[in-house]
Amino acid sequence: QQQVKQSPQSLIVQKGGISIINCAYENTAFDYFPWYQQFPGKGPALLIAIRPDVSEKKEGRFTISFNKSAKQFSLHIMDSQPGDSATYFCAASLSNSGYALNFGKGTSLLVTP
Amino acid sequence: AAGVIQSPRHLIKEKRETATLKCYPIPRHDTVYWYQQGPGQDPQFLISFYEKMQSDKGSIPDRFSAQQFSDYHSELNMSSLELGDSALYFCASSPLAVGADGYTFGSGTRLTVV
Repeated sequence: QQQVKQSPQSLIVQKGGISIINCAYENTAFDYFPWYQQFPGKGPALLIAIRPDVSEKKEGRFTISFNKSAKQFSLHIMDSQPGDSATYFCAASLSNSGYALNFGKGTSLLVTP
Repeated sequence: AAGVIQSPRHLIKEKRETATLKCYPIPRHDTVYWYQQGPGQDPQFLISFYEKMQSDKGSIPDRFSAQQFSDYHSELNMSSLELGDSALYFCASSPLAVGADGYTFGSGTRLTVV
């Protein structure tokens, strides 16, 4: 059973545009929500993460918005660049279970020049 | 900076054979995680170790076993391989005290079962 649902499955954005990826979770015990970026043949790399005690976190062009009551969180990539073209995974984990990650299905992002 | 080292990078095995995947965590990282990523799929958590003891178990088949050694490297042993075991296998390490922000994935081992 997929514990984290991610949409859209794929996304095409023009250079300079905003890429938005959404995730929803069911387990209210989750207390850590990271986003990973993965290029073909490479391991996932942590982009940005948030905990439920904050509603938004920004690092450079990447922003996580978190809605605890709706059990949803999203990634916004501002000023999207062709180099951002990759697969993005949201995830959720429990700190008291050693942080084993439950991933969403992934979003394939293509940023066109 | 040192990264998580996985070996081999590629492995081709026949059905019913065995395979051993190795993971060398970042120095001073005490926790190792194994994930399986099928083609076009999200990574699925298999198993984790903290200080050489199994700490959490996910969707790891009974045909698979793993351990963490005294030097903190970990090995994933896979027996009676099936075609469906073909996947990318990632190892990640972290210093547990830092939490998941310290999570670093290796580049993976691509296992192909023919």
